[in-house]
Amino acid sequence: AQSVSQHNHHVILSEAASLELGCNYSYGGTVNLFWYVQYPGQHLQLLLKYFSGDPLVKGIKGFEAEFIKSKFSFNLRKPSVQWSDTAEYFCAVNGRNAGNMLTFGGGTRLMVKP
Amino acid sequence: KAGVTQTPRYLIKTRGQQVTLSCSPISGHRSVSWYQQTPGQGLQFLFEYFSETQRNKGNFPGRFSGRQFSNSRSEMNVSTLELGDSALYLCASSRSSLTEAFFGQGTRLTVV
Repeated sequence: AQSVSQHNHHVILSEAASLELGCNYSYGGTVNLFWYVQYPGQHLQLLLKYFSGDPLVKGIKGFEAEFIKSKFSFNLRKPSVQWSDTAEYFCAVNGRNAGNMLTFGGGTRLMVKP
Repeated sequence: KAGVTQTPRYLIKTRGQQVTLSCSPISGHRSVSWYQQTPGQGLQFLFEYFSETQRNKGNFPGRFSGRQFSNSRSEMNVSTLELGDSALYLCASSRSSLTEAFFGQGTRLTVV
């Protein structure tokens, strides 16, 4: 069975600090990888995705993530966070043979202090 | 273009009752998936429908069921509601297989 682990449950940063959120997955096959963000009171939105190709993917709002196959990791990064990045972030995995079924990590709540 | 629409947004039901939630996917999307979000268990996959057929099913009891219509709209039904079914139920639509999912605002179900 596939699983996704997000190491940090809560992260507090000051504005302009750099961000890295960890995500590791377990799956016995080829995967697609996603990061979703849920701003307070809003629906889940896609930040970025990896299907194949360049393992360093860039998403919206200055976020990027790197897929390291040997480490089963897909960590999310942003060089300089803003107060508006305060949200909950979810890493998700979709096995290539599993249709559109997503397995989500437990989420990381990020608070950015102005 | 319109996003994924879920109705109703909020529901309060009594234990033992049944409930039906509705989801209208983005136009042209053929896949609809349902998820349950709770503070304790996080986001858990319920099932996926593609072209009116259930393609994947999560680890939920048979009280949870769903269907998809020919226009891709989907409903999920929960029978014999339990207090633990209180959650935010999210619907996501995708154009086809192995494409990104777009989520609706969710239906918040409270069972009392």
